[in-house]
Amino acid sequence: DVKVTQSSRYLVKRTGEKVFLECVQDMDHENMFWYRQDPGLGLRLIYFSYDVKMKEKGDIPEGYSVSREKKERFSLILESASTNQTSMYLCASSSPGPYEQYFGPGTRLTVT
Amino acid sequence: EDQVTQSPEALRLQEGESSSLNCSYTVSGLRGLFWYRQDPGKGPEFLFTLYSAGEEKEKERLKATLTKKESFLHITAPKPEDSATYLCAPFYGGATNKLIFGTGTLLAVQP
Repeated sequence: DVKVTQSSRYLVKRTGEKVFLECVQDMDHENMFWYRQDPGLGLRLIYFSYDVKMKEKGDIPEGYSVSREKKERFSLILESASTNQTSMYLCASSSPGPYEQYFGPGTRLTVT
Repeated sequence: EDQVTQSPEALRLQEGESSSLNCSYTVSGLRGLFWYRQDPGKGPEFLFTLYSAGEEKEKERLKATLTKKESFLHITAPKPEDSATYLCAPFYGGATNKLIFGTGTLLAVQP
């Protein structure tokens, strides 16, 4: 079974804090993705990576950065958290090509 | 601009009452489409991949179909455990496999 794990299910941070969200997959997938999901807006792609140390901006990269030092691990970094970054964050991985993405359980981040 | 629209936004069914969910899209270079199920507070769970118009896939009470402009998820004789949000995601191929997600249909099946 494909397994994608995320470091926290729930996280509460203060405005201005640096926040790290970590994702690990065990299927040797090349592609990894970070999304945020908000009511009425659906899943929106923040960043994705198609190889170690490679990254590309998604649709809403502002305020975020990513790191992929190892194939199985993809981190999302909020340099200075703001209240409008309160959201559900979902990580996914897939093989390259027309293959399904597998999602982690999500991290519900609240920034106060 | 690529767009994905799912309808209805919400659907309430009685147990055993069959229905269909719709996913329509304007995506250039469409290579196929995924369907996912999402339970509250959890990540989406993969259901089906459809690659070409006319293709159908089935899993238990669910059947997904694909045309050039839309996809349907048919639910036959649903049970309360089918209650979830159903998401569709067309993809336009390439090695990076970027998807565009619809906002989903929230299905509630009452016993």
